[in-house]
Amino acid sequence: AQTVTQSQPEMSVQEAETVTLSCTYDTSESDYYLFWYKQPPSRQMILVIRQEAYKQQNATENRFSVNFQKAAKSFSLKISDSQLGDAAMYFCAYRRGAAGNKLTFGGGTRVLVKP
Amino acid sequence: GAVVSQHPSWVICKSGTSVKIECRSLDFQATTMFWYRQFPKQSLMLMATSNEGSKATYEQGVEKDKFLINHASLTLSTLTVTSAHPEDSSFYICSAREASGGGNEQFFGPGTRLTVL
Repeated sequence: AQTVTQSQPEMSVQEAETVTLSCTYDTSESDYYLFWYKQPPSRQMILVIRQEAYKQQNATENRFSVNFQKAAKSFSLKISDSQLGDAAMYFCAYRRGAAGNKLTFGGGTRVLVKP
Repeated sequence: GAVVSQHPSWVICKSGTSVKIECRSLDFQATTMFWYRQFPKQSLMLMATSNEGSKATYEQGVEKDKFLINHASLTLSTLTVTSAHPEDSSFYICSAREASGGGNEQFFGPGTRLTVL
């Protein structure tokens, strides 16, 4: 079974600084997708960024970027120029192959942003 | 973007009663919907996957007779917690995948907080 591990329960960052969240996963599949989701206090899950395993180039979305190390099965998220609105729980997630397959979530990392 | 709604957003019920939670895709048709459970300060745990017109597939350890899932149309799935007890109190979240041409995303509802007294 696939597992997703987030080793940092909580991370704190100063406003305008950069923070990196760690995620490792375990799979024997070659076709899969990785995601980072943000869950603010409202608890609405928001997709932050997505990475297809077959793509070597790391995904970026504005201030958010990933470091995808396929051989190491590592998928970290970097938040640059942190803003107060970035404070939330962040979940790393794995999905095997086709879109109908289920998401497997990591345990989450709480990000605190200090003004 | 694709919008998924849940109703109710919160519900309080007495022990032994049943509660129905609705998940609707508002502007797209959803072939597949997923139901998750989230305890305080924990991650999302998948309960079941439902495909329109067929029986739901439950994850190991989830009681299918207690958590009844119906996906009768391409825009609506329901989760019924039968004979609810205090340990069923949790945050329930659904997500939906677009039927066609929607790429690879699952779109999440805002969640339903269930409190069983």
